[in-house]
Amino acid sequence: DAGVTQSPTHLIKTRGQQVTLRCSPKSGHDTVSWYQQALGQGPQFIFQYYEEEERQRGNFPDRFSGHQFPNYSSELNVNALLLGDSALYLCASSYRLADTTDTQYFGPGTRLTVL
Amino acid sequence: AQSVTQPDIHITVSEGASLELRCNYSYGATPYLFWYVQSPGQGLQLLLKYFSGDTLVQGIKGFEAEFKRSQSSFNLRKPSVHWSDAAEYFCAVGASGTYKYIFGTGTRLKVLA
Repeated sequence: DAGVTQSPTHLIKTRGQQVTLRCSPKSGHDTVSWYQQALGQGPQFIFQYYEEEERQRGNFPDRFSGHQFPNYSSELNVNALLLGDSALYLCASSYRLADTTDTQYFGPGTRLTVL
Repeated sequence: AQSVTQPDIHITVSEGASLELRCNYSYGATPYLFWYVQSPGQGLQLLLKYFSGDTLVQGIKGFEAEFKRSQSSFNLRKPSVHWSDAAEYFCAVGASGTYKYIFGTGTRLKVLA
């Protein structure tokens, strides 16, 4: 049973560039959430996608956008990168219909470095 | 405001000793509570969760946690720590009607041989 997978593992970009991160949810899961974890901090919620729509958004600017595909996989896009966007980006999946408590299972993350 | 506090940034214990990691939350609704563990360079692994019912919950790897509503706490315990338990531990809170988890800043555990 494959868990949550994310790609790429590491990424280096320069300020002002754009980046796309990808996530495949755990088998059977239909909901994807994205978190940003800065060094030495806990993860912070960016947004959640369900049925290809953004259901809730955290306190992140519009430079952060996402998409969910019919197969439930998801992308996180960040435009106009800033140095402060350097972080570990975590994807979490859950199965909302079967689990109203929305227990989220995390992937290994993508380490983004902005120079 | 919703928040999760993990008062201990670092904890060092000897292998075989008992462990307790503290977590306090502030949340208006009835909370769902979670403990996750993160090894260096890795994602988060779910250790255990509490939604309702018995306030003492058992998790994987021999961990347990106790929910105390009166103290707004959800402390993680393990009777005997193993060297492989060295990692960072995060407490998180969610709730019905919201989709996001709020995480604490984590407690880094070091285990002495």
